[in-house]
Amino acid sequence: QKEVEQDPGPLSVPEGAIVSLNCTYSNSAFQYFMWYRQYSRKGPELLMYTYSSGNKEDGRFTAQVDKSSKYISLFIRDSQPSDSATYLCAMTSGTYKYIFGTGTRLKVLA
Amino acid sequence: EAGVTQSPTHLIKTRGQQATLRCSPISGHTSVYWYQQALGLGLQFLLWYDEGEERNRGNFPPRFSGRQFPNYSSELNVNALELEDSALYLCASSWDQGATNEKLFFGSGTQLSVL
Repeated sequence: QKEVEQDPGPLSVPEGAIVSLNCTYSNSAFQYFMWYRQYSRKGPELLMYTYSSGNKEDGRFTAQVDKSSKYISLFIRDSQPSDSATYLCAMTSGTYKYIFGTGTRLKVLA
Repeated sequence: EAGVTQSPTHLIKTRGQQATLRCSPISGHTSVYWYQQALGLGLQFLLWYDEGEERNRGNFPPRFSGRQFPNYSSELNVNALELEDSALYLCASSWDQGATNEKLFFGSGTQLSVL
């Protein structure tokens, strides 16, 4: 079993839709959770960073962490074609070792 | 403020050759990480450098090596290139990792193609 599981997609949604992206994990020691956005042939860009359980909101993006279920989510409101990218979840217990999901490809159709 | 910079953007080599990839971290960051992202796969951890020392390496053969210079920039060397080494190589930097968890910031990567 992989430490982090992420549906590869692709996920296609119409412009303006609410997008839900998810990751599950198996290591209960993970405490720090991140979402990165990666455009084709570019490096990942840090979108959201959360510690432990709870919600964090930044503009159109909301990150949720449910440690009891070992489940994290990223919600994108009012999705735009420019949001089309691959979204990677990442997590760590607080050491150098960051574990990344394989990424979900998102397509927002105009 | 400049982000993490990597060079070259693209690199084409033939099997058996050596490749050298370079990375400059964000100013003030002392930790540098190298990751390999092969097509369709997630980011695989290669190496971690901090304060000029190799702190840890991932499950890669010894022909993957590197170093960190006094100005905290870093170099990744891949010897005896194999076809399966073709991938996007990403460098990331953070503040000193020793005290607490820090955010990773990535460069745009070097696309290595081995023919």
